[in-house]
Amino acid sequence: DAGITQSPRHKVTETGTPVTLRCHQTENHRYMYWYRQDPGHGLRLIHYSYGVKDTDKGEVSDGYSVSRSKTEDFLLTLESATSSQTSVYFCAIRGTSGRSRNEQFFGPGTRLTVL
Amino acid sequence: DQQVKQNSPSLSVQEGRISILNCDYTNSMFDYFLWYKKYPAEGPTFLISISSIKDKNEDGRFTVFLNKSAKHLSLHIVPSQPGDSAVYFCAASTFNAGKSTFGDGTTLTVKP
Repeated sequence: DAGITQSPRHKVTETGTPVTLRCHQTENHRYMYWYRQDPGHGLRLIHYSYGVKDTDKGEVSDGYSVSRSKTEDFLLTLESATSSQTSVYFCAIRGTSGRSRNEQFFGPGTRLTVL
Repeated sequence: DQQVKQNSPSLSVQEGRISILNCDYTNSMFDYFLWYKKYPAEGPTFLISISSIKDKNEDGRFTVFLNKSAKHLSLHIVPSQPGDSAVYFCAASTFNAGKSTFGDGTTLTVKP
């Protein structure tokens, strides 16, 4: 168990409303990631962080912003949710030593529905 | 341009037989490859990995083969068990890079 939690686990919201998803880790890992998973598209990277206040864009970052003010929390914000952002969102952290440095450990996911 | 491709969306095999899942990549800079397994309503979990300096890595019933010249890797599961039924994602990265690129996944169904 890599000590990753996501909240909320499920959310239904309306188009145009802001939404924030939280990822919390207890492992003190430097790297954290946000992915979305959609049928036929696998896991696509939205944003990632390589330290407090250090973030970078992934392949599908449009419409999303992130913040990391402390090591254990990585927030994903949809400023104005759209129906195309209906998806399952996964947070992940990266291993820190040896071969596990390239392994990622995933949270349980957040199912977001935008009506 | 999809850099990691899993061309078979689904695979069905009989219990006890071999399951072979395939993955192709286009970026020659990738030097570390991983397979993840995902059950419904759960996050993916790491299964097995291989560095580009090797062509095979084995862990129990799971073996990953890497063919660098063909930019192809495969995951073999022998013998397959019903509990192996899941979605399998292939991923690739450069060893010290901060991120991995994932394929679209293959849904494996192992029939009793």
